[in-house]
This record gives sequence, structure tokens and C-alpha cells, in this order.
Amino acid sequence: AQTVTQSQPEMSVQEAETVTLSCTYDTSESDYYLFWYKQPPSRQMILVIRQEAYKQQNATENRFSVNFQKAAKSFSLKISDSQLGDAAMYFCAYGRVNNNDMRFGAGTRLTVKP
Amino acid sequence: SQTIHQWPATLVQPVGSPLSLECTVEGTSNPNLYWYRQAAGRGLQLLFYSVGIGQISSEVPQNLSASRPQDRQFILSSKKLLLSDSGFYLCAWSVLRNQPQHFGDGTRLSIL
Repeated sequence: AQTVTQSQPEMSVQEAETVTLSCTYDTSESDYYLFWYKQPPSRQMILVIRQEAYKQQNATENRFSVNFQKAAKSFSLKISDSQLGDAAMYFCAYGRVNNNDMRFGAGTRLTVKP
Repeated sequence: SQTIHQWPATLVQPVGSPLSLECTVEGTSNPNLYWYRQAAGRGLQLLFYSVGIGQISSEVPQNLSASRPQDRQFILSSKKLLLSDSGFYLCAWSVLRNQPQHFGDGTRLSIL
């Protein structure tokens, strides 16, 4: 079974600094998708970034980038120039190709200090 | 643009009472629809998904059920709620499998 592990229940970062959130997953599949979602206090789930496993290039969305290490089954999220609005729960998620089952990690609560 | 509506936002129900949570999507046709539950401080657990009208797949055996009476309507139900049904319920849609899922604002369900 596929599992997603986020080993950092909580992280904090100083405003304008950089922080990296860790995620590892377990799968026997060769093709799949990985996602990072953000859940602010409003509880709405917002897609931050998406990575296809067949792509070697790391995905980037403005201040958000990932370090995808397929062999190590690692998918970390780097937030550069952290802003107060980045404070939220961040969830890593794994999805199999042609399958509706998406597995989520337990989440990392990110605090941004002014 | 596509939007997703989920209601109610909060709900307090006694044990043993029925449940009906509704989710509708606008601006897209034949979406994949999902119901998730998020326990306090935990990640999301997929409960049901649907790829079309009347097509429901259950991921977790429980006393909840789901129905899709219309293309863009997804309903989560229970005949008799349990204390363990408390949690935050999220509806989501996607165009294709494993494409990013777009979430509703969620329903906080408290069982007394």
C-alpha cells in the first residue's frame, strides 16, 4: 500500500527566510503524481505545486519549489522568501496514475514569525 | 471558471441522527468527485469517489454512504451518526484522475 510520511509535525521560519518541508512516500509504481497542498486557518485546501514522477525536472511555482528525489522516494517543498500568509498546514499527497485514490500525509504546521 | 460549493459549513448533530451533506460543482462537466474526512490534526482520508452519475466507489467501510444524483452533485449521507463520525468533511473535484483536486470549504461536523 502506498503511504505518505511527513516527519515534521511543526516547523517555523522567520519572515523572508527559506524553509524546507519534508515528505517521503512508499510505492512500487514507476509512474505517479505528487502534490503539495496548503490548508490555511480557513480550512480550504489549496494546491501549491504538482510533480509528475516521469519528469526529472523539479516543479517550481514562484516562491515554491520541490526537490524530487525519485530513487529516495522523497518530495520536499522549499518555500523561499517566506511571507506571513504562508502560515498554514501543508500536506504532501501521492496519486497513482489512472486511480482515484490519493494518499495524504499527516501534515506539517508551518508558522511564520515576523 | 469552475467553482465548488459545499454546505453546511458547520453542523452539530446528536448521535443516531441522520446526515446529509451536499456538494455541487459549477463550470465543468462530468467531473470526478470526492468526499474526504479530516480528523483533528490529521491528514485527509478518502471516503468516496465518483466518476459519473450513479457511480460510487467506497474506500472505507463505515456507516456513511454517498450518492451522485446529478452530474455535478455529490451527497454524503448517514442513516444513524456515530460519535466517531465527528470531523471535517471536504468535497473535491478533478477533471481527470490524478489531476489536481479542487476542494470545497469543508463542513465541520460535531456529534453530541
